[in-house]
Amino acid sequence: KQEVTQIPAALSVPEGENLVLNCSFTDSAIYNLQWFRQDPGKGLTSLLLIQSSQREQTSGRLNASLDKSSGRSTLYIAASQPGDSATYLCAVPSGNTGKLIFGQGTTLQVKP
Amino acid sequence: DAMVIQNPRYQVTQFGKPVTLSCSQTLNHNVMYWYQQKSSQAPKLLFHYYDKDFNNEADTPDNFQSRRPNTSFCFLDIRSPGLGDAAMYLCATSRTGQSNQPQHFGDGTRLSIL
Repeated sequence: KQEVTQIPAALSVPEGENLVLNCSFTDSAIYNLQWFRQDPGKGLTSLLLIQSSQREQTSGRLNASLDKSSGRSTLYIAASQPGDSATYLCAVPSGNTGKLIFGQGTTLQVKP
Repeated sequence: DAMVIQNPRYQVTQFGKPVTLSCSQTLNHNVMYWYQQKSSQAPKLLFHYYDKDFNNEADTPDNFQSRRPNTSFCFLDIRSPGLGDAAMYLCATSRTGQSNQPQHFGDGTRLSIL
């Protein structure tokens, strides 16, 4: 049974700092891994999707890496801004229905 | 140019009073999903439709039902909401439902039970 864990649960950093969010999964036989952003009381916004054949994906100040063999992914945020404050969730598909298994998220606060 | 649209954004209902949440999509995707996300928890799949085929998760309560009258619309019906059903309900779509395809989420409906 696939399980997804995110550490830390919460993170507070000063503006401008570079930071890394961690995601681990127990079953390395994944097709891809997706990172989402969730603002308070809102739905999910897809940030990056890394296919299993890829090691990295970049979008602006965001860089996601994937190491299938060790069951880990990281989301690197460069030069953090107060507008980056949100909860970040990672998810992997399970089985052949596309069902996503989510981590519980890391809540990030970037202080001005 | 919203692609997955959920209505309403906020829904308040009384304990035991049936409620319906709505999701529509302009992507023409075959698969639609309903996830439940309780406060400070990870989203959890309730069920999904592959075209007209309904697929229930084993631990989804009988209180929850779904309808998909056409490709564009999918509804979540809660027959007798209890206090424990207060949550964010997220609708998502996938072009084929295969695990190598991304899912696209709506903005969610936050359900409160009085």
